[in-house]
Amino acid sequence: SAVISQKPSRDICQRGTSLTIQCQVDSQVTMMFWYRQQPGQSLTLIATANQGSEATYESGFVIDKFPISRPNLTFSTLTVSNMSPEDSSIYLCSVIFGTSHGEQFFGPGTRLTVL
Amino acid sequence: EDQVTQSPEALRLQEGESSSLNCSYTVSGLRGLFWYRQDPGKGPEFLFTLYSAGEEKEKERLKATLTKKESFLHITAPKPEDSATYLCAVQAIYGQNFVFGPGTRLSVLP
Repeated sequence: SAVISQKPSRDICQRGTSLTIQCQVDSQVTMMFWYRQQPGQSLTLIATANQGSEATYESGFVIDKFPISRPNLTFSTLTVSNMSPEDSSIYLCSVIFGTSHGEQFFGPGTRLTVL
Repeated sequence: EDQVTQSPEALRLQEGESSSLNCSYTVSGLRGLFWYRQDPGKGPEFLFTLYSAGEEKEKERLKATLTKKESFLHITAPKPEDSATYLCAVQAIYGQNFVFGPGTRLSVLP
């Protein structure tokens, strides 16, 4: 089965700084997504990462705060900009493979703590 | 608006004590209902997809069923390693996005 990796796995950051999270898949995917999971809560979709074009953001999430890139079919980055303690969460990328029936498969997550 | 609720919020079972988790959903046209298992500090692990009412899927001690309004995840003779949070999600016909429920936190005691 395909491997989905994320870097970093965790980080502790200072308020006002930015962090870029990478998601790498070892095979081509049709769709890539970014989610946030706040402590003790379920998953909230941030955006769909579109290859070669701007990401599609969900209500409550904006490009200035969460810029996303997807330069090819196997890689995407999410940046959390101008961080505040409220951004402390687990950030997860997920993918849909062309051979699947719509199932999303998730990376291991990036645990972010903002001081 | 598409919505997913799950009950109970938390469930504690003795090893071997079978039970069921509930996922109730409201969606304008269901493309699929998905069950995931999430261990602490990890990403969700895909378990099942159900597409139509009456459908059932099984994997080891788990069986998922689907009606027009809800899905059940039945756990038969659970073991401590089944302890995890179980998430349910729905995908509507008109889009790719998933809507996740809040999850059920299952603890199986030896």
